[in-house]
Formats: sequence, C-alpha cells, structure tokens
Amino acid sequence: EPEVTQTPSHQVTQMGQEVILRCVPISNHLYFYWYRQILGQKVEFLVSFYNNEISEKSEIFDDQFSVERPDGSNFTLKIRSTKLEDSAMYFCASRRGGSTDTQYFGPGTRLTVL
Amino acid sequence: AQSVTQLDSHVSVSEGTPVLLRCNYSSSYSPSLFWYVQHPNKGLQLLLKYTSAATLVKGINGFEAEFKKSETSFHLTKPSAHMSDAAEYFCVVSEYSSASKIIFGSGTRLSIRP
Repeated sequence: EPEVTQTPSHQVTQMGQEVILRCVPISNHLYFYWYRQILGQKVEFLVSFYNNEISEKSEIFDDQFSVERPDGSNFTLKIRSTKLEDSAMYFCASRRGGSTDTQYFGPGTRLTVL
Repeated sequence: AQSVTQLDSHVSVSEGTPVLLRCNYSSSYSPSLFWYVQHPNKGLQLLLKYTSAATLVKGINGFEAEFKKSETSFHLTKPSAHMSDAAEYFCVVSEYSSASKIIFGSGTRLSIRP
C-alpha cells in the first residue's frame, strides 16, 4: 500500500541554522501539506500546496518557512533560521483530490533546536 | 470557521470494556469528519471518516463513530478495549475549501488498564 515517507526521522540543529525536512507524498496525489505538533500540544496546520504553489498558509508559516516541490516527487519544508520554539514534530500529508478525500500522513520528523 | 472540541483530554478504561471518546464539531457546511490515531512515537493513522454518506461509520480495529447533526457530535466508540488501543486519538474536521486543510482537536489520550 502506498504511503507518505519523511526523512530524516529526527533532526537536531543549532539555533539559527537552516534545516530542510523532506517528504515523498503518495505518487498520484495532488495536494500536499505540512503540519506541526509541539510536544504536548495539538497538531497545527502550516501550509498547503497545490499546482506548484502555496494555496493556503497559517500565521505560523512566516518568512522563515518555505516549501518546494523540486522534482515532482519530493516535497520539502525549509526553515531558514531555526528558533528554539521551532522544536516540534513535523508531519507531511498528501491528498489525491477533492475536499472529502483523506489526507494521508507521513511518520513525522522530530526537529530539535538547541 | 470550522472547529472540533474533544471533551476529554484523558480517558482510562479496563481491557474488555467499552470505549467512548467524545468529539463535537462546529461547521457552517456539511462537514467531513475524521478520527486519526497516533501511537507513541508513530505517525498519524486514519481510523475512519464521515463524508455525508451513512451516519454510522465503521473503521479499522473495531472502532466506529456516529455522526449526529442535531447534536453536532462525532463520538468514537469501540465495544471492547484492547491493550493495543492505548494511544492518542484526534478528531478532525476538513475545511470545505480548495486547500481543504484539516483542523485537529486537542486529542484524547486513551489508557487501557489490564
């Protein structure tokens, strides 16, 4: 069964460094998402991506964040200058199409900013 | 705006007894509703979804949920709890928009007593 994959599973970085979190969505899916979950808190929407552009982003998704689909299979989230409060689990999700379709989630990348 | 409220942050039941995890939603439109489960250190797995078909929805691992429009509820139930059901459960509503981001409830941690 196809699944969303994410790498790395755990990323440790120093404050101020850039990180890139990688996702491979399910191959015939058209909509892509990033969510994050700070330890002990609810899962929060960051950004949605469709047709090679951002379709919606949350207040959290400021200028430090960017997304890209560089090669038709990978979907990346870049944080330019990490802050301590960026420490969280980051989930990638993809959806085939239609607002009622299921979003399928990857296993997540745990980002720790020191 | 759509939202979900999970009424219990923690539920503890004995193995073999019924499980009830409560969720209320708020939506201007006919919503799409989902339950996801997150086992410790794992990603988010879809349990079941409601998309305006049958109001009683059956999911994986013996879980089911009933959509009650009059009560704006989508409670998750299971007749007999198993130790492997111990996890965090999230009630989720999908926005009726092209981006169709999903909005998570705060989660309910289910503990199973032997």
